[in-house]
Amino acid sequence: AQSVTQLDSHVSVSEGTPVLLRCNYSSSYSPSLFWYVQHPNKGLQLLLKYTSAATLVKGINGFEAEFKKSETSFHLTKPSAHMSDAAEYFCVVNPARILTGGGNKLTFGTGTQLKVEL
Amino acid sequence: GAVVSQHPSRVICKSGTSVKIECRSLDFQATTMFWYRQFPKQSLMLMATSNEGSKATYEQGVEKDKFLINHASLTLSTLTVTSAHPEDSSFYICSAREQYQGEAFFGQGTRLTVV
Repeated sequence: AQSVTQLDSHVSVSEGTPVLLRCNYSSSYSPSLFWYVQHPNKGLQLLLKYTSAATLVKGINGFEAEFKKSETSFHLTKPSAHMSDAAEYFCVVNPARILTGGGNKLTFGTGTQLKVEL
Repeated sequence: GAVVSQHPSRVICKSGTSVKIECRSLDFQATTMFWYRQFPKQSLMLMATSNEGSKATYEQGVEKDKFLINHASLTLSTLTVTSAHPEDSSFYICSAREQYQGEAFFGQGTRLTVV
């Protein structure tokens, strides 16, 4: 069984300050982990993914996340928030390694709404 | 990244009619496609998993006769909401996974409003 917990349903930051969106997971298998962003009335866009290579993963738009197995965490960070970062963010876990096929279901966190203020 | 196109982005229909939503993988072959429903300010709820050339696998509580899914080719899956009612109004999102790849690529979503 696997699960994802996004610890904060809402995060508010000032423009130019760091962003931290927290995610903890549990998985019976070595997981692949993803962060997706969703703007209002849009689909989900992949920000970054962890697939057992480097534990510090760099994504698009200056985001990065660090996989910490000992803490079962995959927190998303960005050094300096921009107004355009305001959106919903989902942490997602897939139990299978990337090379073992695409039939497994993804498990979604409940989402974190990021608000960026001037 | 790969592109998944979902159409239409927005549809309004009358109660009792059927609506078809298309999901296409534009630059890769998707052996598996997923259909999700998303309620306001909530996460995505998986409705069904669609495998090319076979019947879809529905999640518990999802009516297969109401939400018809067809995955006739490696690049196209359709979701038909039959005899739609206002409670079917929602945001529907498809995603596709390329064989041997871990990440899913998502369509833009379809906002369905049943009046």
